[in-house]
Amino acid sequence: KNQVEQSPQSLIILEGKNCTLQCNYTVSPFSNLRWYKQDTGRGPVSLTIMTFSENTKSNGRYTATLDADTKQSSLHITASQLSDSASYICVAASGGSYIPTFGRGTSLIVHP
Amino acid sequence: NAGVTQTPKFQVLKTGQSMTLQCAQDMNHEYMSWYRQDPGMGLRLIHYSVGAGITDQGEVPNGYNVSRSTTEDFPLRLLSAAPSQTSVYFCASSSLTAISYNEQFFGPGTRLTVL
Repeated sequence: KNQVEQSPQSLIILEGKNCTLQCNYTVSPFSNLRWYKQDTGRGPVSLTIMTFSENTKSNGRYTATLDADTKQSSLHITASQLSDSASYICVAASGGSYIPTFGRGTSLIVHP
Repeated sequence: NAGVTQTPKFQVLKTGQSMTLQCAQDMNHEYMSWYRQDPGMGLRLIHYSVGAGITDQGEVPNGYNVSRSTTEDFPLRLLSAAPSQTSVYFCASSSLTAISYNEQFFGPGTRLTVL
């Protein structure tokens, strides 16, 4: 069964600090992994996608990594801002399937 | 473009009542889906569609019906509401190319409470 596990479940940091969110996946055959950001009371919005051949990709202060050998991905947030407070969801897709596998998300709170 | 729209934003039902959650998109996307989101459970797929006239079940389809008569609309019907269906419901859409890259555009959600 395809699975995605995220850690930690929740995280509290001070504004300006860095943090890293983890995602472990068991999806076969693996196609790609996407990170979404979900603000409170809103639908998720895509941050970045990692395909099998990519190791690192940056989108502003967000940097995603993928290790296809260990089936792990991380999302690193640099110099956090109050607006980074949200849930971050990892979603893995398998080739040929229209049903992606969602993680339960990491809730990030950034305090001033 | 309005993107993906959902109505209503909030709804309270009594056990046994039926209702339809509306979802529409103006991006000419072939793929549309319904999810429910419960605390600590993440997003779970209820039903999805890859085009008008084509629907299929997701992970948690029991108690829900869908139909897809047009590309734009994908309503979700609760046949006989139960308290276990209290949740936040999200509709999403994607092109068939983008869904292969795991990209979906989500609506703002409908918060449903069943008493």
